[in-house]
Amino acid sequence: AQSVTQLGSHVSVSEGALVLLRCNYSSSVPPYLFWYVQYPNQGLQLLLKYTSAATLVKGINGFEAEFKKSETSFHLTKPSAHMSDAAEYFCAVSVSNDMRFGAGTRLTVKP
Amino acid sequence: DAGVIQSPRHEVTEMGQEVTLRCKPISGHDYLFWYRQTMMRGLELLIYFNNNVPIDDSGMPEDRFSAKMPNASFSTLKIQPSEPRDSAVYFCASRRRTNTGELFFGEGSRLTVL
Repeated sequence: AQSVTQLGSHVSVSEGALVLLRCNYSSSVPPYLFWYVQYPNQGLQLLLKYTSAATLVKGINGFEAEFKKSETSFHLTKPSAHMSDAAEYFCAVSVSNDMRFGAGTRLTVKP
Repeated sequence: DAGVIQSPRHEVTEMGQEVTLRCKPISGHDYLFWYRQTMMRGLELLIYFNNNVPIDDSGMPEDRFSAKMPNASFSTLKIQPSEPRDSAVYFCASRRRTNTGELFFGEGSRLTVL
């Protein structure tokens, strides 16, 4: 069965600093990978997705992620953090018809 | 186009009471998912439907939980009897047929069982 592991339940960065949120996946077949963001008291929203096209995927709000098969990773990055990026971020994998989520990483942005 | 609509947004009930959560998926979406979110366990997939048929309910915690989808535009998740450990945010999500498609989430139903 497919699964994802997010390294670090909490990440804190200063405004303007690089954001790096880590995700490793486990799958016996080529996976589809996703990053979602959740703001307080809201549902999850899609940031970006990898579906076996380009390995570097660009998403909304300046985020991007790179699929690295050799490392089984799909880390999320943003060159310069903004206060509005503070939220919880979830990595997810889909192989069959369902979607499995990681435990989430809470991003804090300090002024 | 309206998003996924869930009701109620908040529910407070006493242990032993029946709870019914409702979901209206996005029109034209073939798949509907129910997730539960807690601090301890994160986002757990409870059950999902394809064309109104339950496909995988292995995530349903126990027999107290049941889910139905009587038609393409409505689903319910029922807990009977409810227990304090059922307190969580329950999300409904839907998507189109392909599994490369994104899930669209509702805003969730926050359940508190006293």
